Amino acid sequence: GNSVTQMEGPVTLSEEAFLTINCTYTATGYPSLFWYVQYPGEGLQLLLKATKADDKGSNKGFEATYRKETTSFHLEKGSVQVSDSAVYFCALSDRGNNNDMRFGAGTRLTVKP
Amino acid sequence: EADIYQTPRYLVIGTGKKITLECSQTMGHDKMYWYQQDPGMELHLIHYSYGVNSTEKGDLSSESTVSRIRTEHFPLTLESARPSHTSQYLCASSAPRGVREQYFGPGTRLTVT
Repeated sequence: GNSVTQMEGPVTLSEEAFLTINCTYTATGYPSLFWYVQYPGEGLQLLLKATKADDKGSNKGFEATYRKETTSFHLEKGSVQVSDSAVYFCALSDRGNNNDMRFGAGTRLTVKP
Repeated sequence: EADIYQTPRYLVIGTGKKITLECSQTMGHDKMYWYQQDPGMELHLIHYSYGVNSTEKGDLSSESTVSRIRTEHFPLTLESARPSHTSQYLCASSAPRGVREQYFGPGTRLTVT
């Protein structure tokens, strides 16, 4: 079945550091890939998405590229801020599997000033 | 901007009480979901619905029940709350076509004493 594996946390960085959160997936069809962010006390918000191989999703300085050859969708940001402290979830949705969404376990990021 | 609402946001209740967590969306989405989020952050799908009069159990067995009498409304009920039900409950919905990313409500944090 479909699954998502993402980098275990927690991740602690200093402000302005470079961020990478690794995400790999297993899918039987042609999935769309997503990154969601959850701030303390809130629900999940869609951060970015990519729907086909080599697509790059970007938003708020975050980027992720859909790599079919390595089945990966790593999240990156060049310079993190304290306000980026949150939990990040990688997810996939597969049309061949009734579009059911599979989430990774989440990675908690803390950015210190 | 997604419009999906959950009430109450926080609930503290005694063992044995019956509770209903409300979820509503104004986007006309057909598919709706309930997730339980444990302290380790991982999301567990407990119920979903394809549309009116459709309800399905998710991956994680739950003692809760759901109903879908109207497209916009997907309440979750616990007939007799127990301390093991203490958790964060997230409601989500997805569009009828296209990529079908999920939009989340702010969540209900339930504590059963």
